[in-house]
Amino acid sequence: EAGVTQFPSHSVIEKGQTVTLRCDPISGHDNLYWYRRVMGKEIKFLLHFVKESKQDESGMPNNRFLAERTGGTYSTLKVQPAELEDSGVYFCASSLGREHSPLHFGNGTRLTVT
Amino acid sequence: SQKIEQNSEALNIQEGKTATLTCNYTNYSPAYLQWYRQDPGRGPVFLLLIRENEKEKRKERLKVTFDTTLKQSLFHITASQPADSATYLCALFSGGYQKVTFGIGTKLQVIP
Repeated sequence: EAGVTQFPSHSVIEKGQTVTLRCDPISGHDNLYWYRRVMGKEIKFLLHFVKESKQDESGMPNNRFLAERTGGTYSTLKVQPAELEDSGVYFCASSLGREHSPLHFGNGTRLTVT
Repeated sequence: SQKIEQNSEALNIQEGKTATLTCNYTNYSPAYLQWYRQDPGRGPVFLLLIRENEKEKRKERLKVTFDTTLKQSLFHITASQPADSATYLCALFSGGYQKVTFGIGTKLQVIP
């Protein structure tokens, strides 16, 4: 089974620019999550999709972040405009969503805002 | 506020010994707890799950304990190998299964 894939693996942008991150979950996984790890801190929850619906977006930092999951398949996370504090590693994970289902993570997108 | 504590300092042990990592939490009533392994440049990989009504869980050389009174989980790797070197994360699930909260992780270095 193909794992969770994320694109790009690295992105360097200037403050004020826009960046879009993409995540392709494991086929058949209705649940998709975005997480972020800022250097020296723990991995923090951003939001959770069930199919195409946002189940929980309580972790989204502010309205510069927009996540979508068209058709309940892949998801995108757009940051517009990017700020210096947005730098970090953005992880996507998917799961079957049954109770106790483990999260399957992608390898992350390392975003650097200069 | 809710808090998960893992020793963020690296743990160095000799090959063949048992490594023990600690996860403490406060202001949580987790339904269950998971442990993940993360290698540099990679995403976390699921290892083990333990439910609140379970005291201990084993998988090959791995063992996890869960003490809801002490609010603590211990993660053991027996007969450790250099290939076990990685960062180990504990994750708590509470209030439904969707939202997961991670600890900062403990970096384990197994010295040959």
